[in-house]
Amino acid sequence: DAKTTQPPSMDCAEGRAANLPCNHSTISGNEYVYWYRQIHSQGPQYIIHGLKNNETNEMASLIITEDRKSSTLILPHATLRDTAVYYCIVRVARGSNYKLTFGKGTLLTVNP
Amino acid sequence: DAGITQSPRHKVTETGTPVTLRCHQTENHRYMYWYRQDPGHGLRLIHYSYGVKDTDKGEVSDGYSVSRSKTEDFLLTLESATSSQTSVYFCAIRDDMNYGYTFGSGTRLTVV
Repeated sequence: DAKTTQPPSMDCAEGRAANLPCNHSTISGNEYVYWYRQIHSQGPQYIIHGLKNNETNEMASLIITEDRKSSTLILPHATLRDTAVYYCIVRVARGSNYKLTFGKGTLLTVNP
Repeated sequence: DAGITQSPRHKVTETGTPVTLRCHQTENHRYMYWYRQDPGHGLRLIHYSYGVKDTDKGEVSDGYSVSRSKTEDFLLTLESATSSQTSVYFCAIRDDMNYGYTFGSGTRLTVV
């Protein structure tokens, strides 16, 4: 799986958009970008994933650059409950390697 | 979390004793995983299973064994618990349709 680079921490004001960047310059053509988050003491939670097109769901939007070497997770209106560690993971969706490998992620702190 | 249950949620055990943690799913998914999480190390894969009686090692498998005699249950055994195995253990299942991962709520194990 391609390696990812994320800032260790970010702050965001409540109600504002939180934009979390992720660099994955060695991504392969068949690798997807996944985002998970982990709220303190809970198991990781799936947020969104994409291949090359931008994606949106009820939780967030995922913007992937045209060269696919970086992406941004957007939480449009951050709340205090969005304070968590956010993990960007790049991996093949199908195939023989079914293991999800976590890096250190970004600690997002949403401030009132 | 919906479809996946870990037991026990908390356990304190003595060094040298065997311990078994249970992960139960109601989703009938083929792939199940055991991770441990420690400060400074993030989530690390211990073992995973790709079917009944089909298991493989992850990156930190020493001192752990697993068994999967039924699709719904994946057991993690610490054969002789050590203080270094004090950790939070998370089980995960992989959705066979959309390849997303769902994590359990975790088991906090303390070895004294």
